[in-house]
Amino acid sequence: SAVISQKPSRDICQRGTSLTIQCQVDSQVTMMFWYRQQPGQSLTLIATANQGSEATYESGFVIDKFPISRPNLTFSTLTVSNMSPEDSSIYLCSVVGGGEKLFFGSGTQLSVL
Amino acid sequence: GENVEQHPSTLSVQEGDSAVIKCTYSDSASNYFPWYKQELGKRPQLIIDIRSNVGEKKDQRIAVTLNKTAKHFSLHITETQPEDSAVYFCAARSYNQGGKLIFGQGTELSVKP
Repeated sequence: SAVISQKPSRDICQRGTSLTIQCQVDSQVTMMFWYRQQPGQSLTLIATANQGSEATYESGFVIDKFPISRPNLTFSTLTVSNMSPEDSSIYLCSVVGGGEKLFFGSGTQLSVL
Repeated sequence: GENVEQHPSTLSVQEGDSAVIKCTYSDSASNYFPWYKQELGKRPQLIIDIRSNVGEKKDQRIAVTLNKTAKHFSLHITETQPEDSAVYFCAARSYNQGGKLIFGQGTELSVKP
């Protein structure tokens, strides 16, 4: 399976600010996704990070709030913009490897005060 | 789009007993069904998966069964141990929807020694 490094691992931010989360994979991957996991909840897909084109967002998520970059096949960033306490969650990048298996990064635990 | 329902939300068993978690999906085009285990504070880990052309798959104490007609699949853990205590998530993937994984709500399994 791919080694997925995500940083920061955690952060505490003030409302109204923005945080950029980085995801680095040790091999080239075609499909990369960003998920959110609110406290005690399941995994909700935010968007598919497309290399060389705009990300594909799921219902309820918009580019202005969660801009995503994917400059190459090993790296992506997710920005959480103009944060509010409701954005406090774990954010996980994930990649498809080994056929169709989905693997997760270690996650970024975000707390917004 | 795809919708995945998971039951029960919590499950408590005695060490050595079996545990069964059930999921239903809505999209008949879904063809891949993984299960993830998430321990507290850690990333979800893939523990077993099954494709739609297979009815059952086993890996030591873990097995997954799939009923395509009824659109449901189940995780079976035999001879449970305290280290099996975690939150388990089922998921379904439909290539009609770009190959993204949609997750169930999760089951918190507690194995009492």
